[in-house]
Amino acid sequence: NAGVMQNPRHLVRRRGQEARLRCSPMKGHSHVYWYRQLPEEGLKFMVYLQKENIIDESGMPKERFSAEFPKEGPSILRIQQVVRGDSAAYFCASSPPENSRIGEAFFGQGTRLTVV
Amino acid sequence: AQKVTQAQTEISVVEKEDVTLDCVYETRDTTYYLFWYKQPPSGELVFLIRRNSFDEQNEISGRYSWNFQKSTSSFNFTITASQVVDSAVYFCALSDPLIYNQGGKLIFGQGTELSVKP
Repeated sequence: NAGVMQNPRHLVRRRGQEARLRCSPMKGHSHVYWYRQLPEEGLKFMVYLQKENIIDESGMPKERFSAEFPKEGPSILRIQQVVRGDSAAYFCASSPPENSRIGEAFFGQGTRLTVV
Repeated sequence: AQKVTQAQTEISVVEKEDVTLDCVYETRDTTYYLFWYKQPPSGELVFLIRRNSFDEQNEISGRYSWNFQKSTSSFNFTITASQVVDSAVYFCALSDPLIYNQGGKLIFGQGTELSVKP
């Protein structure tokens, strides 16, 4: 049973380009969470998605950032027109749907975005 | 408001010393989860423990132990006989109100960077 898979592990973009970060949850997991870790800081929640639905995007910047979790395929975190301040590690976590296992969340290895 | 405080930004110890990492949290919920994660220099997040708010028993796993005290809202982590491989940033985290999510929305502390010198 593969863990949460994120790709790419490292991504370099020039200012103004778009960045697409992918997250494949663990098998059977239908809840995905994205986090951002700025240099020298802890992780900050960005968005919580279920299949085809955004449940909580309270941590998402208002502009340039979007996320989706389609019925088929991985969850995508998209950053348009990247700026240097977007350079960070982006982590994805997934959790199972059953209420009896509430509180379990498994993290991927992260994508390190560098904007040059 | 939910909050996690790790007051120790950096700790440096010599190998074989015991070290305790402090974590204090704030929450209005009666049911919640607390976590510790390790982030080694390679950058990934390594899950260490999840603790349910109803279970106040201390836990030991090898050289690691956790002291959960609800009365003081603390969930401290002790490494006994530290090793160089323990050098990492350690994060304490609290689950956001569980009614709104399946437990994957966490509030992280700022982390404690532990350096174990040979």
